[in-house]
Amino acid sequence: LAKTTQPISMDSYEGQEVNITCSHNNIATNDYITWYQQFPSQGPRFIIQGYKTKVTNEVASLFIPADRKSSTLSLPRVSLSDTAVYYCLVENDYKLSFGAGTTVTVRA
Amino acid sequence: DAMVIQNPRYQVTQFGKPVTLSCSQTLNHNVMYWYQQKSSQAPKLLFHYYDKDFNNEADTPDNFQSRRPNTSFCFLDIRSPGLGDAAMYLCATSFGGGEVEETQYFGPGTRLLVL
Repeated sequence: LAKTTQPISMDSYEGQEVNITCSHNNIATNDYITWYQQFPSQGPRFIIQGYKTKVTNEVASLFIPADRKSSTLSLPRVSLSDTAVYYCLVENDYKLSFGAGTTVTVRA
Repeated sequence: DAMVIQNPRYQVTQFGKPVTLSCSQTLNHNVMYWYQQKSSQAPKLLFHYYDKDFNNEADTPDNFQSRRPNTSFCFLDIRSPGLGDAAMYLCATSFGGGEVEETQYFGPGTRLLVL
């Protein structure tokens, strides 16, 4: 049973906000929600992590409802360089289990 | 400013010929990981070292081995590469201070081609 479910792909245009929702119905009390970004032919890069409510950094925001069964990564005003695969991970161990990820394509 | 360095970036080997991929880090992190990522798939953890302690994933084939001679370096040895082992191999590190929410830092990967 997959730990997380996210859309396979999303299209957007430059300057728009992109919201990617990840479902994790079986999240455990000790699990953290983490998002990584991966460009082609590069290793994944940490974007943001949260446990509950809302977390914001210079790159993105992460919204987590009270039941923690889903989370939404928000990328404000995307540019062409934000085209990448975005992975949602739910972990309570320092080992990472990557799901399928969401391919975000930003068009001019 | 390179933090996790992988060499070479591209490696070509022959079917059945042993190959070694290398990873080094300047972060002084305790934990080092090796992932395999096949085309259009998510990275899959092969094994990791917590300091000198080796931890193998249950489904990692015996064909894959690893060595960590010191804190900075970690090697992935593929004893007899098959065509199915062609993939991107990613090295990552984390501090290993016991906090489960630790960030992993990935290298750029080595793309292995098996002829």
